[in-house]
Amino acid sequence: GQQLNQSPQSMFIQEGEDVSMNCTSSSIFNTWLWYKQDPGEGPVLLIALYKAGELTSNGRLTAQFGITRKDSFLNISASIPSDVGIYFCAGKAYTGTASKLTFGTGTRLQVTL
Amino acid sequence: GAVVSQHPSRVICKSGTSVKIECRSLDFQATTMFWYRQFPKQSLMLMATSNEGSKATYEQGVEKDKFLINHASLTLSTLTVTSAHPEDSSFYICSAPTGTGGYEQYFGPGTRLTVT
Repeated sequence: GQQLNQSPQSMFIQEGEDVSMNCTSSSIFNTWLWYKQDPGEGPVLLIALYKAGELTSNGRLTAQFGITRKDSFLNISASIPSDVGIYFCAGKAYTGTASKLTFGTGTRLQVTL
Repeated sequence: GAVVSQHPSRVICKSGTSVKIECRSLDFQATTMFWYRQFPKQSLMLMATSNEGSKATYEQGVEKDKFLINHASLTLSTLTVTSAHPEDSSFYICSAPTGTGGYEQYFGPGTRLTVT
């Protein structure tokens, strides 16, 4: 099936640094979601975006829904060791409970002290 | 956020046997649930959409007779891997949408299936 392109694929950063990752699509989405997955666990929802241009924060995390509706980015400020994990973007083309999510390829984040 | 549980978290079975995985929405009702499969170091791939009161919708390439889905109630969907083989070993994750318009989707903790 279709996947969204996420970049970078992986990042190795030092504690305290800011992190930026993005997600692009060839088609339009009406909803963008950002998830974090720890090893052996299911993805945890971090931020949900519903409108083009929307900028939403959740603690040290900030995400934006691109104006073209074909991209989104996630920023993490002042990273800490527990930010380690895989971050996935996901898009929904339609509204409604039966609307499927299309997932990004993932960004693996590693944080050193 | 909403809570989705899965059981079991890990299962080891012998080749040729069947395994049932349960997915429950704990604090909300879900007329739709989704089943995903995830291989190591890869993203989530949607297998099927589970619909309460009707047949599941399978993604292209997913064998419906091998991966049986039953959405028995508004809080429970089950995935049965029938006649499991080693290549079915994987991490299976369910999710359920909630919130106004079903915009947000919450995932279960996943089930690690190992077929020997």
